[in-house]
Amino acid sequence: GQQLNQNPQSMFIQEGEDVSMNCTSSSIFNTWLWYKQDPGEGPVLLIALYKAGELTSNGRLTAQFGITRKDSFLNISASIPSDVGIYFCAGYTGANSKLTFGKGITLSVRP
Amino acid sequence: DTEVTQTPKHLVMGMTNKKSLKCEQHMGHRAMYWYKQKAKKPPELMFVYSYEKLSINESVPSRFSPECPNSSLLNLHLHALQPEDSALYLCASSPSTGTSSGTQYFGPGTRLLVL
Repeated sequence: GQQLNQNPQSMFIQEGEDVSMNCTSSSIFNTWLWYKQDPGEGPVLLIALYKAGELTSNGRLTAQFGITRKDSFLNISASIPSDVGIYFCAGYTGANSKLTFGKGITLSVRP
Repeated sequence: DTEVTQTPKHLVMGMTNKKSLKCEQHMGHRAMYWYKQKAKKPPELMFVYSYEKLSINESVPSRFSPECPNSSLLNLHLHALQPEDSALYLCASSPSTGTSSGTQYFGPGTRLLVL
């Protein structure tokens, strides 16, 4: 089936550091979405990617749609305490209208 | 405006109660979704409405009953729930379904506790 792999489950970084997280699959995806979720809140859309090779930025965040269409990465530069949360990748394969989610990466930022 | 609103924010109910969760969006989106999310897990799809018609039911127990009164509103009626149904219930909307127009925007969720 369609699965999105996000590893590791948790990441710990120092405030001010850059961090990169990726999302991989054995299936081809046509759309990649990156969400951040704070405790008790709904996921917030960070970046949406629609074309292979596409590189998109949103402030300190940059994400890329892999050219093989089987992966995507998200970079956060100069991390700050409010970057703490769970980061989910998600995507569509085009086989149906269901969004596939990765298991998420919990990011902790040490001041 | 990319806002999806959900009420109530928190809900505590007994196993014999009937309650409803409400979701609203004014972005002109024609697809709306219900998800269930357990702590530290990704959202699990429950239902998809496309153009006000139920298009996907992920084999959800009948104690959960969705309703889409119009293109802006989505309800989830709850009856005779079990304690294991306690979770964060998320509503989402997208312009349409499918890859290029299916970018989903989530509401803040309803935290449900079943006693």
